[in-house]
Amino acid sequence: EAGVAQSPRYKIIEKRQSVAFWCNPISGHATLYWYQQILGQGPKLLIQFQNNGVVDDSQLPKDRFSAERLKGVDSTLKIQPAKLEDSAVYLCASSSTSASIYEQYFGPGTRLTVT
Amino acid sequence: ILNVEQSPQSLHVQEGDSTNFTCSFPSSNFYALHWYRWETAKSPEALFVMTLNGDEKKKGRISATLNTKEGYSYLYIKGSQPEDSATYLCASPTGANNLFFGTGTRLTVIP
Repeated sequence: EAGVAQSPRYKIIEKRQSVAFWCNPISGHATLYWYQQILGQGPKLLIQFQNNGVVDDSQLPKDRFSAERLKGVDSTLKIQPAKLEDSAVYLCASSSTSASIYEQYFGPGTRLTVT
Repeated sequence: ILNVEQSPQSLHVQEGDSTNFTCSFPSSNFYALHWYRWETAKSPEALFVMTLNGDEKKKGRISATLNTKEGYSYLYIKGSQPEDSATYLCASPTGANNLFFGTGTRLTVIP
């Protein structure tokens, strides 16, 4: 079974530029998550999708971050414009259901550096 | 926002030593406790999902216990090997869905 795929693995941009990350979850997984992990902190949930609908985006900075999951499969996360404090690892995860008693499967992450 | 705490923040052990670390979480409204291992440049990997008080799970040389009444979980590694070097994350949901992660324990096993 193929794991969660993410691209790119690394990205360096200047502040005020835009960037987009892509995620392909495990086939058949209805729930998809985007996390932000800042150095020294634990991963923080940005947005959770159930199929192509948003379940929780309460911690997504909506003035600059957007995410979509068209057709309930792949997802993209966009930052526009980027700030220095957006430097982090962006992790995508998927699970078969949204219930928290089930494990989440993570991709390798995209390491973003904003200069 | 849930307060999930892990200690210690980092740990260095010699190859062959056994070690353990702690995850504490609010005991009220408990749903589950997750442990993940995150090696550098790789994907975080699920180790255990624990739901029952007193539960004990094992995977090779790694085991975990859960006390939901007092709000803590221990992760044990027996006979640490260099390949165990990683950051170990625990996470607990506030309710049916979202996971809140601790800051992790960074383990380095010295050959």
